Formats: sequence, C-alpha cells, structure tokens
Amino acid sequence: NAGVTQTPKFRILKIGQSMTLQCTQDMNHNYMYWYRQDPGMGLKLIYYSVGAGITDKGEVPNGYNVSRSTTEDFPLRLELAAPSQTSVYFCASSWETSSSYNEQFFGPGTRLTVL
Amino acid sequence: AQSVTQLGSHVSVSEGALVLLRCNYSSSVPPYLFWYVQYPNQGLQLLLKYTSAATLVKGINGFEAEFKKSETSFHLTKPSAHMSDAAEYFCAVSDNTDKLIFGTGTRLQVFP
Repeated sequence: NAGVTQTPKFRILKIGQSMTLQCTQDMNHNYMYWYRQDPGMGLKLIYYSVGAGITDKGEVPNGYNVSRSTTEDFPLRLELAAPSQTSVYFCASSWETSSSYNEQFFGPGTRLTVL
Repeated sequence: AQSVTQLGSHVSVSEGALVLLRCNYSSSVPPYLFWYVQYPNQGLQLLLKYTSAATLVKGINGFEAEFKKSETSFHLTKPSAHMSDAAEYFCAVSDNTDKLIFGTGTRLQVFP
C-alpha cells in the first residue's frame, strides 16, 4: 500500500492564481482531512470529509474549497492565491468509527509559496 | 472546547540523556490523546495513543507517555535519547468528532 500520497511536493504560485492540491489514499478510509502547518502554530484543520459526497469546514476554511467524489480522492482547491496561504499542506485519512481513537495517517505534504 | 498545550517549543538534550516533552490537555469529556512525530520534510507519524485502556502507554522507538488525569497531562518520555530522535513532536487530543486538535509542537534537538 502506498498509504496517503500528495502531489505536487512543491509549488510556487503568483498572487491571484489558482491550483489544486491532490490527495489520494489506498487504505479504503472513509475519513479524510486537510491541514495546514505554519511555523510555531501546529496543524490547523482546513476541511474534512466523512465519506464520498460529504465535506465540512474545519478551523480555517476561508480561501479553500474541497470535493469528495470518490473514497480515494480528496482534492483541495485554492481559487485566488494569497500570500497568507503560504504554508505546508498535509492530507490525512482514518477509519470510520463511532469512537474517536483511530489514528490518522498523513501524507508527505505539499510546500506552497505564494508570491 | 478541547485544547492541548505543549510547554517548550524547543528542547535540547545530550545523546543518552532523558527526553521529557510536556503536554497538558483541556477536555470536558474523557479524552483520547496522541503523540505524533514529524521528521524533517516528512509527514506526521503516530508515536503512541491513549485510549483509556492503560495509563502508561508504550509507543515506537522506545517512547512512552503517562496519562495523569489529576494533572491533565500526557507527557512524553524516553530514557535515553538517540541522535535519530531529533524531530518535531506534536501532542493531539480528540474532540469526539473524529477531528484532532494539535498542540503547537516541540522541536527536539539531540547533541552528541
């Protein structure tokens, strides 16, 4: 199993450009998440999904959009890139469960710079 | 709302010394607690997790953590640091909706 894969690894965008960060998992997990990591701030949840066709906002959703058409894929869209979106983005997935102790598996991250 | 506080954004130890990384949580319900490790330029990996089965939890690479309800703490320890332990460590708490709340992280440096 490849686990959680993310593309691209690095990207530089100009202000106002748009892009999609790709995330795919091959573990048949229903739950998927997008985080951003800024120095000294830990990880902040952007959006998450509990299954195909279902998405919900996290702590910092402004400026981003997501979709979940399949179990495997959970792309994150930036429509109008701003310097404040310079960050490292991580995708994660976990098992569906009625409790909350299941591990999240993380991808290797996408380092995005907006100039 | 649940939260975690990691005391000390940077910790430095000598190789062979005790590692102690501190985490305190805030929760109105019995929490699920996690420690993740992030090596340079990589994603996060689970070190260990507390799910109420035992208060002393053993994880990978010789790390362990003890859940202390009276102190609302879940500190991470390792008896003897290795150079390979140099990384950033994150404490996280579950808010019972399958979302994790992460602390701000502690960067561990190990000196020879």
